[in-house]
Amino acid sequence: GDQVEQSPSALSLHEGTGSALRCNFTTTMRAVQWFQQNSRGSLINLFYLASGTKENGRLKSTFNSKESYSTLHIRDAQLEDSGTYFCAAEADTGANTGKLTFGHGTILRVHP
Amino acid sequence: ETAVFQTPNYHVTQVGNEVSFNCKQTLGHDTMYWYKQDSKKLLKIMFSYNNKQLIVNETVPRRFSPQSSDKAHLNLRIKSVEPEDSAVYLCASSWTSQNTLYFGAGTRLSVL
Repeated sequence: GDQVEQSPSALSLHEGTGSALRCNFTTTMRAVQWFQQNSRGSLINLFYLASGTKENGRLKSTFNSKESYSTLHIRDAQLEDSGTYFCAAEADTGANTGKLTFGHGTILRVHP
Repeated sequence: ETAVFQTPNYHVTQVGNEVSFNCKQTLGHDTMYWYKQDSKKLLKIMFSYNNKQLIVNETVPRRFSPQSSDKAHLNLRIKSVEPEDSAVYLCASSWTSQNTLYFGAGTRLSVL
């Protein structure tokens, strides 16, 4: 089965509201990254976390390695937040290969 | 400008032809990657290079061959393309010590 299970697969938000995306991991991960893929297809790195919580503007992300999950919270959603969000995690195998396993993505649509 | 640059943006070709994609990063990173994003938007790693040395080679068909002249360049050659090679190919780079990935804009390949 997939090592990274991402949910929801799609999300629709009114401008100004918020929600959370989640990734569950079926194996121990050393770090997680979150990306936004915009309408042009560019993948923008939002967060890199080895543990704990980070915040950047209206985005906040948490990684709990022990309980094998990560979340991405979006508050006060804006139209430009629309896109596909991916989590990606690096398995804790002992070797630092940088190899990421991606979730299947969450298609976020923010509407007026 | 420091970033990851990919050429071409798009390429349309016929089954059996050879194609080459270029990637250059000006971020000073020591590791580069090729990822494939399929029609369902799933991203999977193909190769990674650290200082011109191959460190990750997923189960990719032998017609795919990466080529690295120095740590700032990682090209991808496909010897004889097949219809299932139609996808977006994304190049990325990072530091080995902290694997935050920075992606290029991608090359969209269509095989007719």
